Amino acid sequence: SQQGEEDPQALSIQEGENATMNCSYKTSINNLQWYRQNSGRGLVHLILIRSNEREKHSGRLRVTLDTSKKSSSLLITASRAADTASYFCATTPGANSKLTFGKGITLSVRP
Amino acid sequence: KAGVTQTPRYLIKTRGQQVTLSCSPISGHRSVSWYQQTPGQGLQFLFEYFSETQRNKGNFPGRFSGRQFSNSRSEMNVSTLELGDSALYLCASSLVGRQGDHEQYFGPGTRLTVT
Repeated sequence: SQQGEEDPQALSIQEGENATMNCSYKTSINNLQWYRQNSGRGLVHLILIRSNEREKHSGRLRVTLDTSKKSSSLLITASRAADTASYFCATTPGANSKLTFGKGITLSVRP
Repeated sequence: KAGVTQTPRYLIKTRGQQVTLSCSPISGHRSVSWYQQTPGQGLQFLFEYFSETQRNKGNFPGRFSGRQFSNSRSEMNVSTLELGDSALYLCASSLVGRQGDHEQYFGPGTRLTVT
């Protein structure tokens, strides 16, 4: 069963707009990771945020984590057509535990 | 550094047959994990190997098995294939053996179709 649940399931925006994707999870976590997958290909790691961190930035990406609400958000600023992909959050309850992925969010960025 | 490679990229098999998929991790990475991705179930963890030992296992039947060699290369085997085994099989490697503590580097996947 999926630990993370992303929201919305699909998102369509215009190039240049910001995209916000949310992830909620059920049990306590060690860290939360976001991945991107272009159609039918392997996943690319975007960012890892640990349970004792609240916010992290990487280029145009900003991730927040609220452990009290068991939720995380991924913000992509100034989106580009190349950002079109599926985005997954993944969680683990411990460093030695397996990663559990959500079902993913399909982001479409219109040129 | 070369990325994670998986062979073959595409495979078509018949029900009842068995299949072996191969994964070569990034040089120096000792942990290899396998995932199954389907439209209905999403990404599901199969197993993780570190230094030739299975560290974690997902909820899959015994028809799914794997192993890791001394050079960290890994294979997974599916016996008595069923139609529902049609999926994209992804392999991921990481530097150390703590899957939950470090990012995973994924290969392009093997697309298995069972007819």
